[in-house]
Amino acid sequence: DAKTTQPPSMDCAEGRAANLPCNHSTISGNEYVYWYRQIHSQGPQYIIHGLKNNETNEMASLIITEDRKSSTLILPHATLRDTAVYYCIVSLTGNQFYFGTGTSLTVIP
Amino acid sequence: NAGVTQTPKFRVLKTGQSMTLLCAQDMNHEYMYWYRQDPGMGLRLIHYSVGEGTTAKGEVPDGYNVSRLKKQNFLLGLESAAPSQTSVYFCASSYLQSWDRASYEQYFGPGTRLTVT
Repeated sequence: DAKTTQPPSMDCAEGRAANLPCNHSTISGNEYVYWYRQIHSQGPQYIIHGLKNNETNEMASLIITEDRKSSTLILPHATLRDTAVYYCIVSLTGNQFYFGTGTSLTVIP
Repeated sequence: NAGVTQTPKFRVLKTGQSMTLLCAQDMNHEYMYWYRQDPGMGLRLIHYSVGEGTTAKGEVPDGYNVSRLKKQNFLLGLESAAPSQTSVYFCASSYLQSWDRASYEQYFGPGTRLTVT
């Protein structure tokens, strides 16, 4: 499975959009991009996933570039409860996830 | 549904002792996973199972053994604990989405905090 690169930390003002980038330049054609987050010491929580097209659900939007070498997770209106570590994962089969160190997002009041 | 539960929540071991961590899920999921998370690090996959009676190695399998005798349970064993195994252990499960792919969502337990002195 392809490895990912994320900035170690980001800040975002409450109520503003949080845009979290992820680089996965070695992604192969059938690998999906998954986003999870981990709040404090809890188990990770699924956010969204995609293959080629942009995706949106009640939590976030996922924008994947046309060449699929990078993606951006967008939290449209960040709240204090969105403060967490966000992990971008690329996987072919969905049963072997490499979480990396993720991006620590701090939402500032 | 209780989801994914882990037993125990906390444990302190002395070097050389053995123990078994229990993971149970009531969602009838085919896939189950064991991860470890060290301070400031992301989760790393230890072992996983794609069905009852099957297990496979993940990224960091050394020093651990696993068993999946029942579909709902996934056991992680440490035969001779070492200080390097001090970590938080997470169990997760997911269902079979298609013949070659697990579901996109893994459901995680609350974790077991293990300290080896």
